[in-house]
Amino acid sequence: EAQVTQNPRYLITVTGKKLTVTCSQNMNHEYMSWYRQDPGLGLRQIYYSMNVEVTDKGDVPEGYKVSRKEKRNFPLILESPSPNQTSLYFCASSLSAGGDYGYTFGSGTRLTVV
Amino acid sequence: KQEVTQIPAALSVPEGENLVLNCSFTDSAIYNLQWFRQDPGKGLTSLLLIQSSQREQTSGRLNASLDKSSGRSTLYIAASQPGDSATYLCAVKDAGGTSYGKLTFGQGTILTVHP
Repeated sequence: EAQVTQNPRYLITVTGKKLTVTCSQNMNHEYMSWYRQDPGLGLRQIYYSMNVEVTDKGDVPEGYKVSRKEKRNFPLILESPSPNQTSLYFCASSLSAGGDYGYTFGSGTRLTVV
Repeated sequence: KQEVTQIPAALSVPEGENLVLNCSFTDSAIYNLQWFRQDPGKGLTSLLLIQSSQREQTSGRLNASLDKSSGRSTLYIAASQPGDSATYLCAVKDAGGTSYGKLTFGQGTILTVHP
């Protein structure tokens, strides 16, 4: 089944403890991206990757890092999480940045930072 | 800067009704528009994708239209069912070289279909 898989689905952590949210797609998509969803603010792009080893900032990149060493994986790294990073996170992928065939989203990771 | 607005914010209807969800966007220079469904605690499920050159797309009981020049899209749901209850999101992919694949989302319409 073609899909984007995120892990973990739920995570509660403490301020300052480094964490990684994994994202993997099995569709050979070039483009991958991370979004966060917050009440009243909707979904906002954090980082994106046009291809392997090519990443760039989205609208809200502060406090996050990403890497794209393989086409299928695009982990989101929070080096020192803070409570304002409590949010619902989504990974998405597309065949290309043009999104000609649309975007596929993962099931989401609900992160709580205390 | 692209802005996407969805109206209404919430909608409650009895089962069997036909309904329309609205999406408007401020910059008509879009590449495509995608409608998603989000169930509580779950991810986004793609419903329909409309390219900028298209006027509408259909899938089962769903029909989405696009009027790019006026900056509007509608999602029509026929014969609604309780299983259609979810949040519906509209997302726009801008044309041009600076959007780099970013989708701009509306705030969503929360739909409740009661038996």
